[in-house]
Amino acid sequence: KQEVTQIPAALSVPEGENLVLNCSFTDSAIYNLQWFRQDPGKGLTSLLLIQSSQREQTSGRLNASLDKSSGRSTLYIAASQPGDSATYLCAVIPQGGSEKLVFGKGMKLTVNP
Amino acid sequence: NAGVMQNPRHLVRRRGQEARLRCSPMKGHSHVYWYRQLPEEGLKFMVYLQKENIIDESGMPKERFSAEFPKEGPSILRIQQVVRGDSAAYFCASSPPMGLARYFGPGTRLTVT
Repeated sequence: KQEVTQIPAALSVPEGENLVLNCSFTDSAIYNLQWFRQDPGKGLTSLLLIQSSQREQTSGRLNASLDKSSGRSTLYIAASQPGDSATYLCAVIPQGGSEKLVFGKGMKLTVNP
Repeated sequence: NAGVMQNPRHLVRRRGQEARLRCSPMKGHSHVYWYRQLPEEGLKFMVYLQKENIIDESGMPKERFSAEFPKEGPSILRIQQVVRGDSAAYFCASSPPMGLARYFGPGTRLTVT
């Protein structure tokens, strides 16, 4: 059974720091991995999607990498800003399933001005 | 192109009443997924539907919960005889056929009193 873990559960940093958010999954047989952002009381915003054949994806200050064999992904946020404060969720689509996402519990990020 | 729409955004029901949650996928998307987020928990898959078909309902509780995605109109998640434990945020996501990414709606927050 696929399980996704995000550690730590919360992180508080001063503005301007470069951040690395970690995600691990137990079964390397995945179709893809997707990073989301969730603001309090809101829905999920898709940030980056990495297909199983890819190693990384970039969008602006965000870069996500995927190491399928070790069951790890990292989300790198450059030059963090207070507006980056949110909960970041990692999710995978396991192979052989019905395309359902398996989520981690998320990491709550606070960027202090 | 409007995003995934869910209504109502907030729903209050007394124990024993019925709750109906609606989801309109993005234009051109024929796949709909429902997820539930309990307080302090990650998002959990409930059901995956295509037009007029339930593809995977492995995450649905065996009783009181049902879902449909008719040929015309929104997808409906129906909870009969609600109990306090049903209080949660219910999110709908959609994707096009063969699509990789999932696009989420703002969610419906159900409170059972």
